[in-house]
Amino acid sequence: QSALTQPASVSGSPGQSITISCTGTSSDVGGYNYVSWYQQHPGKAPKLMIYDVSNRPSGVSNRFSGSKSGNTASLTISGLQAEDEADYYCSSYTSSSTPVFGGGTKLTVL
Amino acid sequence: EVQLVESGGGLVKPGGSLRLSCAASGFTFSSYSMNWVRQAPGKGLEWVSSISSSSSYIYYADSVKGRFTISRDNAKNSLYLQMNSLRAEDTAVYYCARDLAVATDAFDIWGQGTMVTVSS
Repeated sequence: QSALTQPASVSGSPGQSITISCTGTSSDVGGYNYVSWYQQHPGKAPKLMIYDVSNRPSGVSNRFSGSKSGNTASLTISGLQAEDEADYYCSSYTSSSTPVFGGGTKLTVL
Repeated sequence: EVQLVESGGGLVKPGGSLRLSCAASGFTFSSYSMNWVRQAPGKGLEWVSSISSSSSYIYYADSVKGRFTISRDNAKNSLYLQMNSLRAEDTAVYYCARDLAVATDAFDIWGQGTMVTVSS
């Protein structure tokens, strides 16, 4: 299963909104509403931010939202804050009954 | 506190073996599917293997199939990964991660990771 495609980097200023895309195929992102997003700060374990395309786990800020159109899922962070600077990974359930991750996106808060 | 703690990482020669462990606490371990996810130095996340709550369903990434074996002991609240025929490309931080019960392939609790280095 090939990794999902994410931009290598995105950036934004405090207070702005940014969107990170995650492109797959009809065998993963496009075929199921099982896309998750993770935030990872340097040297730390990943943290689940979004599951099932657009659901937030308890405790995750409502500044984080997810959506999907066709084979592309998106994570939007509104009201960008300095602590949002991190790596972000998408993942999707696949037709092989296993998950696949994206390559990761480095978010820089200017 | 809900917690996962990995152990067993270290330096091993190519072709060698290593067994990772993940101790769970703070939740009913036997009710959750569990996973191993790895991250090579400076690289992204790679799902490695998963096991259902009763060990009925087990899956592996193609990159480790036939070399790694996942298992669990619900009586000991522990998850394991037996890694054989190790290669340099298996060098990574290995995380154990819990499946979010209400979702599919979403991992809501992660351990701190254990480093595995395969080098001669």
